[in-house]
Amino acid sequence: KAGVTQTPRYLIKTRGQQVTLSCSPISGHRSVSWYQQTPGQGLQFLFEYFSETQRNKGNFPGRFSGRQFSNSRSEMNVSTLELGDSALYLCASSLGDRENGYTFGSGTRLTVV
Amino acid sequence: GENVEQHPSTLSVQEGDSAVIKCTYSDSASNYFPWYKQELGKGPQLIIDIRSNVGEKKDQRIAVTLNKTAKHFSLHITETQPEDSAVYFCAPRSGGSYIPTFGRGTSLIVHP
Repeated sequence: KAGVTQTPRYLIKTRGQQVTLSCSPISGHRSVSWYQQTPGQGLQFLFEYFSETQRNKGNFPGRFSGRQFSNSRSEMNVSTLELGDSALYLCASSLGDRENGYTFGSGTRLTVV
Repeated sequence: GENVEQHPSTLSVQEGDSAVIKCTYSDSASNYFPWYKQELGKGPQLIIDIRSNVGEKKDQRIAVTLNKTAKHFSLHITETQPEDSAVYFCAPRSGGSYIPTFGRGTSLIVHP
């Protein structure tokens, strides 16, 4: 079966701009979680969407937002980009229960200059 | 929230040796214990998991052991190969949460 697809793979943006990242989960998975990965902070949880609703949220500023569509595809948006937003953004697809783990995409590498 | 610690942060072994990575957690309500492997340029991949009603689980050269009393679980890799070189993350999850807490990762280097 198809894996988790994240687009684009690489992005270069300028400070102050905004960016939208996309994630297509595994067919049948209703939960999509987003993580920011940096060398200094490791994997940090941004938010989780389940059946088009944000079910959980991490400790990130309001510049980070997301949404989920009826087909479970998800997007995350970062507005007013800062240099510190440079990171690998990972999307994790799951059934959304408490019994199973994640299937991750390959990530989007965002560089803010 | 859950406090998770992984040790060691870096592990260097010779091909054919065994490798053990330990993950300590704080939430006694944790009941799902997975390990993920992240290779360069890829997202983490779930390689093995265990639930709180089981003490050990094996899958070919990898195994996970759980000690709920001491609140730690470990990843064991036997007969290591160069392709095992990667960063490994534990991510225990409490029964009351849908969201796991990831450890900081262990960089495993297998020298041929």
